[in-house]
Amino acid sequence: QVQLAESGGGLVNPGGSLRLSCAASGFTFSDYYMSWIRQAPGKGLEWLSYISGGGNAIYYADSVKGRFTVSRDNAKNSLYLQMNSLRAEDTAVYYCARDALLDAYYNWFDPWGQGTLVTVSS
Amino acid sequence: ETVMTQSPATLSVSPGERATLSCRASQSVSSNVAWYQQKPGQAPRLLISGASTRATGIPARFSGSGSGTEFTLTISSLQSEDFAVYYCQQYNNWPPFTFGPGTKVDIK
Repeated sequence: QVQLAESGGGLVNPGGSLRLSCAASGFTFSDYYMSWIRQAPGKGLEWLSYISGGGNAIYYADSVKGRFTVSRDNAKNSLYLQMNSLRAEDTAVYYCARDALLDAYYNWFDPWGQGTLVTVSS
Repeated sequence: ETVMTQSPATLSVSPGERATLSCRASQSVSSNVAWYQQKPGQAPRLLISGASTRATGIPARFSGSGSGTEFTLTISSLQSEDFAVYYCQQYNNWPPFTFGPGTKVDIK
């Protein structure tokens, strides 16, 4: 079945960097747009970035533009989020999620991975 | 940016009762709204897309309605496993995709 599994979270100092990964299985990874979404402790959901199947179309939330970079390796069925200049307010569980539909402009997120926790603190 | 708001923030309901959750968009999002359920320590799970289409495996007690700027998620008869936080999300005016702040449904 379709599965997404994030990894790479952990404790990092303010100003530091971290790279998250999302391993996909059970579907043709290169066909689907993918997203990163985060959730600060006790807070709601915030969409961060969106990347097309081929990696040529990328979108970011203003809150992370210029600091975070999304990429993918379709040969490895993997999605990545490189996070630089991390701040305390970036502390959150980070989820990867797949577009529910193939080749649709209006799309929602399904499924989601289980998330990985990033803590930014000295 | 399309801002999504949800009300109430918390809804206290007895098992077996009906729960009605509201979601409002700051501008029209047509019917491009999804609802997700999230339990503690778990990832969000899709319930509804297209404002009213239940996802695979979602019980019929969950129903969605609305279009434009006003949306409703109704749980007809709350079961113990339905106590959770519910988020609406618009995918009409993107980027960015935006979520509401959530409604927590707890036991009365």
